[in-house]
Amino acid sequence: AQSVAQPEDQVNVAEGNPLTVKCTYSVSGNPYLFWYVQYPNRGLQFLLKYITGDNLVKGSYGFEAEFNKSQTSFHLKKPSALVSDSALYFCAVRDINDYKLSFGAGTTVTVRA
Amino acid sequence: DAGVIQSPRHEVTEMGQEVTLRCKPISGHDYLFWYRQTMMRGLELLIYFNNNVPIDDSGMPEDRFSAKMPNASFSTLKIQPSEPRDSAVYFCASSQQAYEQYFGPGTRLTVT
Repeated sequence: AQSVAQPEDQVNVAEGNPLTVKCTYSVSGNPYLFWYVQYPNRGLQFLLKYITGDNLVKGSYGFEAEFNKSQTSFHLKKPSALVSDSALYFCAVRDINDYKLSFGAGTTVTVRA
Repeated sequence: DAGVIQSPRHEVTEMGQEVTLRCKPISGHDYLFWYRQTMMRGLELLIYFNNNVPIDDSGMPEDRFSAKMPNASFSTLKIQPSEPRDSAVYFCASSQQAYEQYFGPGTRLTVT
């Protein structure tokens, strides 16, 4: 079985401050990890993924995430948040031998001006 | 590319009626996924296809739900008969070799 935990329902930061959204996962084998963002009344948009290689992956809109195998974490980060980053963020995982994605419950990010 | 296309964007129907949701995946993608999103249950995978063949439908809630993919450019999700608890946003997503998935805008279904 595979699962994702996003321990924070909400994250609030001031514009220009660093943003971190936490994610931990559980899979039986090696993981493929993903971050998605959802704006109101829109579908999910792919931000970045970890498949293999460098533990630090960079994605769209200045976001990055670090894969930590020992802590089974894949936290999303942005050095300087923008008001336009306010949205719902989902972490997702799949086992490399399974094509089904498991999503976390989501974290609502609010960036105040 | 236009991305994943879903229709209709909104559907309001009465309990007992048949509902058909449609999806056109991104050209060249060989995987197609149907999801349901609700506040209570979050994002749930209903079924996925590979090269038009259903691979895993274990997430389909009941026999009232069925999905087809007659060709690489089109898929349907049908609910017959519909019930109020089916009210949700239904997403279609496609991917190439099951890496990152690209989602459509969703269909917001309301069953009264």
